[in-house]
Amino acid sequence: GQQLNQSPQSMFIQEGEDVSMNCTSSSIFNTWLWYKQEPGEGPVLLIALYKAGELTSNGRLTAQFGITRKDSFLNISASIPSDVGIYFCAGPGETWGSRLTFGEGTQLTVNP
Amino acid sequence: EAGVAQSPRYKIIEKRQSVAFWCNPISGHATLYWYQQILGQGPKLLIQFQNNGVVDDSQLPKDRFSAERLKGVDSTLKIQPAKLEDSAVYLCASSLDHGTTEAFFGQGTRLTVV
Repeated sequence: GQQLNQSPQSMFIQEGEDVSMNCTSSSIFNTWLWYKQEPGEGPVLLIALYKAGELTSNGRLTAQFGITRKDSFLNISASIPSDVGIYFCAGPGETWGSRLTFGEGTQLTVNP
Repeated sequence: EAGVAQSPRYKIIEKRQSVAFWCNPISGHATLYWYQQILGQGPKLLIQFQNNGVVDDSQLPKDRFSAERLKGVDSTLKIQPAKLEDSAVYLCASSLDHGTTEAFFGQGTRLTVV
């Protein structure tokens, strides 16, 4: 089955720093999704990417769909304490309508 | 627009007991998903409905788990009998249709089996 590997597993940064995390797949993806999950809540969609090479921003967040279609990265600029949470990449793989697979997440801690 | 509603938020049961979770998706969303999220892991799909039909239940432990979406709107997920390893957060999500990958999640039900 499809597997998504996220790195790093966890990050501890100071407020104001920039953050970068990435996700790689064992197979080609047609769509990449980035979600954030806070304690006691369900994942919330941050950014959706639909085309290889696509670069999309949402406020201080920027994500890119890798050219090989097997990877994606998420950057957060000028981090703030409310950025704390677990960031998941997800994607449905190459087949239309196929199962949405999630990575294991990157736990982000921001120290004020 | 109201989001995905789930209940209960928390449930504690003894092993071998049964439990049921309820989900009301976003209005107009044809596709409904149930995910299991074990602590420290990403969500894992259990079952996916398109309207009231099952699209994918390949990862559902069918000997103990069942789910239904009889009228193509609300859904229930049942576990009977529960095992200790079923302790997890059960997340319901919905999307506009089968080909739309942007899924929106509810807050989840945290199940503890003791």
